[in-house]
Amino acid sequence: GAVVSQHPSRVICKSGTSVKIECRSLDFQATTMFWYRQFPKQSLMLMATSNEGSKATYEQGVEKDKFLINHASLTLSTLTVTSAHPEDSSFYICSAQGTRGTGELFFGEGSRLTVL
Amino acid sequence: QKEVEQDPGPLSVPEGAIVSLNCTYSNSAFQYFMWYRQYSRKGPELLMYTYSSGNKEDGRFTAQVDKSSKYISLFIRDSQPSDSATYLCALGANAGGTSYGKLTFGQGTILTVHP
Repeated sequence: GAVVSQHPSRVICKSGTSVKIECRSLDFQATTMFWYRQFPKQSLMLMATSNEGSKATYEQGVEKDKFLINHASLTLSTLTVTSAHPEDSSFYICSAQGTRGTGELFFGEGSRLTVL
Repeated sequence: QKEVEQDPGPLSVPEGAIVSLNCTYSNSAFQYFMWYRQYSRKGPELLMYTYSSGNKEDGRFTAQVDKSSKYISLFIRDSQPSDSATYLCALGANAGGTSYGKLTFGQGTILTVHP
C-alpha cells in the first residue's frame, strides 16, 4: 500500500505554545488529506479535510483558529495546534486519499501530543 | 442511533480460531467499505477495501458486505497472536468532490489472540 509519513511521532510541549505536525505522502500525490483525533480506546474523530491549494474544511465543533491546517503541496499537509492546552493532549493522525480516488485512505503513524 | 455500529468486544480467542468482526450501518448512501487494523499507539493500517456486496478474500482475511441488510463483516482465519489489535470498520459515501475519503468509522473491536 501507499506510504504516509507523519512527524513527529511524539511531542511534549508547555501550555500556551504551538506545535506543528507534518503529514507527507511519500510515494503518491495526495490532493486530499484528512486529520483525525483519537482519544484512548476511542475511534477516530475527523477534524478537518485538507485540500491542496485551498482552505481546509473543518468538522462541526473543531476550532479552525486553534487547529491550523495548511496543504501547500500535493505531498505535504501540516496541522498546527496553536496555544496548546492540556485538553489538546491527544493522538493526532493524518491520512491521505489514494490515487484511485475511490475513498481508499492510507494513514500516517500518528503523533502523540502531550501538553503540560 | 449512530451511523455505524460495531461490536465493541473485547474479543479474546485462542490461536488458530476463526474470528468474526461485524458492523451494521443505517445510511444506505454508504457505497464503499473498509477494514483497518490498528496496533496500540500506531496509525490504522488498511486491510480490506470493497465496494460491492459479496465476499472479498485476501489471504487469511475475508470481507463480506451485505448491502440489503446493511451489514459488513471481516473474517480472520487461522488467527495468530500477531493479529491482536483493534479492528475498525470504515464506510464512505460518494457525495462527489472532497467527500471521497471522508469516512465514518465504527467504534473499533479490540481483538486478543492468545497462544
